[in-house]
Amino acid sequence: KQEVTQIPAALSVPEGENLVLNCSFTDSAIYNLQWFRQDPGKGLTSLLLIQSSQREQTSGRLNASLDKSSGRSTLYIAASQPGDSATYLCAVSSGFKTIFGAGTRLFVKA
Amino acid sequence: GAGVSQTPSNKVTEKGKYVELRCDPISGHTALYWYRQSLGQGPEFLIYFQGTGAADDSGLPNDRFFAVRPEGSVSTLKIQRTERGDSAVYLCASSFGGRSSGANVLTFGAGSRLTVL
Repeated sequence: KQEVTQIPAALSVPEGENLVLNCSFTDSAIYNLQWFRQDPGKGLTSLLLIQSSQREQTSGRLNASLDKSSGRSTLYIAASQPGDSATYLCAVSSGFKTIFGAGTRLFVKA
Repeated sequence: GAGVSQTPSNKVTEKGKYVELRCDPISGHTALYWYRQSLGQGPEFLIYFQGTGAADDSGLPNDRFFAVRPEGSVSTLKIQRTERGDSAVYLCASSFGGRSSGANVLTFGAGSRLTVL
């Protein structure tokens, strides 16, 4: 059974800092891994998708890496801004089912 | 449509009542998913449809929960005899389906927040 763990559960950083969010999964037989952002009371917004054959994806200040063999992914956020404050969710797809981690709640202080 | 649409956005009901939550997926997406998200938790898988059939309903918590997708597009999640523990945000997602690595990229709706008093 696939299990997804995200560390840390919460993170508070000053504006401008670079930061890394971690995601680990137990079953390396995945099709893809997605990072989502969720603002309070809102739905999920897809940030980055990494296919199983890829090792990283970049979008603006965001960079996500994937190491299937070790069951790990990281989301790197450069030069953090207060607007980046949200919950970041990692989700792993194996076949038809997508399993989520519990998320990392990020607060960027101005 | 342009995105996944869920109605109602908010539903408050009394314990023991029956509730229906509706999801209208992106046009052309054959796969549809229901998830439940409790406060402070990640979304929890409930059920997956490929076309009209429920391909995997292993996440439904008990027989009070049921979902249909009669024409392979709109889906309805039905909850009978609601309990306070059913209070959560119910999220719907859709994708093109299939087993290829790019086919199950999920697009989520804004969710339906259910509160059982």
